[in-house]
Amino acid sequence: AQSVTQLGSHVSVSEGALVLLRCNYSSSVPPYLFWYVQYPNQGLQLLLKYTTGATLVKGINGFEAEFKKSETSFHLTKPSAHMSDAAEYFCAVRGGDNQGGKLIFGQGTELSVKP
Amino acid sequence: ETGVTQSPTHLIKTRGQQVTLRCSSQSGHNTVSWYQQALGQGPQFIFQYYREEENGRGNFPPRFSGLQFPNYSSELNVNALELDDSALYLCASSLEIRSDTQYFGPGTRLTVL
Repeated sequence: AQSVTQLGSHVSVSEGALVLLRCNYSSSVPPYLFWYVQYPNQGLQLLLKYTTGATLVKGINGFEAEFKKSETSFHLTKPSAHMSDAAEYFCAVRGGDNQGGKLIFGQGTELSVKP
Repeated sequence: ETGVTQSPTHLIKTRGQQVTLRCSSQSGHNTVSWYQQALGQGPQFIFQYYREEENGRGNFPPRFSGLQFPNYSSELNVNALELDDSALYLCASSLEIRSDTQYFGPGTRLTVL
């Protein structure tokens, strides 16, 4: 079975500061991992994904994440926060094919960016 | 290439009623998944349809049902609405059943009074 835990339901940073959103996963099969962003009253937009290969994954809007198998983590980072980064962020792991490949989401982390 | 669209945007129903939500997948995508996102929570998987057949279901009762049509559109039907059904309902399409990327629509906000 798969599960995702996002540490911290709310993170606040100053504009220009480092963004670090934490995600730990549990998976009985090699994981496919995802970060999605959700702006108010909108659907989910894919930021980046890890399937196989290079463990450091770069996504849109300057975000990146590193898959660390030994730590079962997939933390999201951005060197310098921008006001437009304020949103809800969800980490997800893909279920096995016998589960229809469903996405299993964490509870989300709300990112606030202070001027 | 058009994205995933959903209708309506917002919907208000009363307890016990039935509702149908609609989704139009990206062209050529033969797999659609539906998720329920309660306020302040992450999305929860309801079910997935592949080539018009249900393929995988989450922990939702049978009063949640779906249909997928050959024209890449799909429906989520909920009977006997309960207050706890109030949520944002998201559909997501993918090119194939084994595709690793799902493309989400903007969602339908359902309020049950």
